Amino acid sequence: EAGVTQFPSHSVIEKGQTVTLRCDPISGHDNLYWYRRVMGKEIKFLLHFVKESKQDESGMPNNRFLAERTGGTYSTLKVQPAELEDSGVYFCASSQDSGSYNEQFFGPGTRLTVL
Amino acid sequence: AQSVTQLGSHVSVSEGALVLLRCNYSSSVPPYLFWYVQYPNQGLQLLLKYTSAATLVKGINGFEAEFKKSETSFHLTKPSAHMSDAAEYFCAVSDLGTGFQKLVFGTGTRLLVSP
Repeated sequence: EAGVTQFPSHSVIEKGQTVTLRCDPISGHDNLYWYRRVMGKEIKFLLHFVKESKQDESGMPNNRFLAERTGGTYSTLKVQPAELEDSGVYFCASSQDSGSYNEQFFGPGTRLTVL
Repeated sequence: AQSVTQLGSHVSVSEGALVLLRCNYSSSVPPYLFWYVQYPNQGLQLLLKYTSAATLVKGINGFEAEFKKSETSFHLTKPSAHMSDAAEYFCAVSDLGTGFQKLVFGTGTRLLVSP
């Protein structure tokens, strides 16, 4: 069974440009999460989808970030326009169960560098 | 809100030595706790979890962790380190405020294993 995949693995862009990150969850997983790790700091929650609906987007830093999950399958996270402080590793995770025990399976992450 | 503190951003051990990675949490109610490991160029992998059953939890690759409510700790141990254990380790707690749906991570501890 394929795990969570993310594309691209690395992205280097200039300040002001737009970048779109993609996440493909494990097949059949209704729950999809985005997290971000800024260098040297903790991994922080960004948002949570249940199928195509945003369940919790309390961690989204500002309106330059837009996440979508059309059809409840893969998800995209767009940053427009990118700023220097957006640099970091963006992780996607998925889970089958929304219950109290919630094992999330993580992808390898996308390393975003904004110059 | 829940929070996690990992003491020591880097821990160095010799091969065959005891591994001890520290994690303290803050929670007003019994939490669900997790240890994840990230090997180079891979996603986070679940090592073990505490979900209010046995306080001593055994995970993969010989790791275990003990939940100590009185100390609000969930330290990760392994009796004998292998070179292959070199990785970054993250302690996490489920955020009860969101019905366990998001993970709150510590800042991570990088384990270095020398021959």
